[in-house]
Amino acid sequence: GENVEQHPSTLSVQEGDSAVIKCTYSDSASNYFPWYKQELGKRPQLIIDIRSNVGEKKDQRIAVTLNKTAKHFSLHITETQPEDSAVYFCAATFTDKLIFGTGTRLQVFP
Amino acid sequence: SQTIHQWPATLVQPVGSPLSLECTVEGTSNPNLYWYRQAAGRGLQLLFYSVGIGQISSEVPQNLSASRPQDRQFILSSKKLLLSDSSFYLCAWSPMQGTYEQYFGPGTRLTVT
Repeated sequence: GENVEQHPSTLSVQEGDSAVIKCTYSDSASNYFPWYKQELGKRPQLIIDIRSNVGEKKDQRIAVTLNKTAKHFSLHITETQPEDSAVYFCAATFTDKLIFGTGTRLQVFP
Repeated sequence: SQTIHQWPATLVQPVGSPLSLECTVEGTSNPNLYWYRQAAGRGLQLLFYSVGIGQISSEVPQNLSASRPQDRQFILSSKKLLLSDSSFYLCAWSPMQGTYEQYFGPGTRLTVT
């Protein structure tokens, strides 16, 4: 069935440290994996994505890696800043839909 | 550029009253459209999605329904609201042709009293 597991559910880091969030998916046909950032009371915003023909993608301080064999992908945030504090959701495609993980609440302490 | 609108932004409705939330997309044609619900502090629950006018797929029917009367318009409805319908409702759009990325509207915060 369609399922995306995400962990940890909460993550606290010191400013300047790195943060890693991991997701696993169940459908081997999934071929697109976005990450969203949602600040309190706002809409989720797409911050980075990766397709199944790529193993890694980087955009400034954020990067995503994909292991198709193991069916897992990860979000890496380096040099974290207080403004990175938010809830992060991973997702994977299933036919015409995105299946979302349950979210990770990241807190960056100054 | 593409823009997605949702209204109203906030809504307070009594139990048993009807509901109509509207979502429109500008600057694109034939988008895929989605309705999600997000309870406070929780994840995103897909309610309905549509790949074309009049084509609706239901994920969680319950007491909600969706319609797509025009290419870029998506409506979420209920005949009788329940207390448990209190939530943050998000509409999203995605370009067709298998690109998959979804962009969310600003959302409607619904409180059922």
